[in-house]
Amino acid sequence: SQTIHQWPATLVQPVGSPLSLECTVEGTSNPNLYWYRQAAGRGLQLLFYSVGIGQISSEVPQNLSASRPQDRQFILSSKKLLLSDSGFYLCAWSVRGLGGRHYNEQFFGPGTRLTVL
Amino acid sequence: EDKVVQSPLSLVVHEGDTVTLNCSYEVTNFRSLLWYKQEKKAPTFLFMLTSSGIEKKSGRLSSILDKKELFSILNITATQTGDSAVYLCAVGLYGGSQGNLIFGKGTKLSVKP
Repeated sequence: SQTIHQWPATLVQPVGSPLSLECTVEGTSNPNLYWYRQAAGRGLQLLFYSVGIGQISSEVPQNLSASRPQDRQFILSSKKLLLSDSGFYLCAWSVRGLGGRHYNEQFFGPGTRLTVL
Repeated sequence: EDKVVQSPLSLVVHEGDTVTLNCSYEVTNFRSLLWYKQEKKAPTFLFMLTSSGIEKKSGRLSSILDKKELFSILNITATQTGDSAVYLCAVGLYGGSQGNLIFGKGTKLSVKP
């Protein structure tokens, strides 16, 4: 069965510090991968998605970046955190079908709660 | 702009009550509508609906989609305290970003004993 891991579970960082959140998926190959942020009182906001190694699409311009160095690894980074980066960060995966077919069902990791002080 | 609106934003009921959660949407290239349950951490997948009028059921939870009126409902019968959670509705689109979902803000359900 498929499993998705995220770490760390919680993180407290000062403004201006760097960030690196990691997500890995087990039990599947060639997944589509996603990073979301969930701020208090707001819905899930898609930040980045990836359909393959080295392929990253950004949905929201910001001081965050993402990388996919391996098929089942997805990393969210920042060089300098802002107060507004605080939130709950969720990684998700979905099946990438043959012939370009994609599936809407996404499955989420346990999340990282980031507090920027 | 594509949007998904859930109502009510929050709801308090007592154990044994039946609740109905609403989700309406305005999107281009609709493909599917999904419901998730979010407790403390990650949203867990409940249902995916693609066809109008066909009810999906899992235990005490059921959901139906109306593609003409652009909405879905999630019903929970005989609620239990374990049903307390935020219920998220999301719409999946064809084309564009692969598999991307547009989420509503959620309905926070509190079930009191």
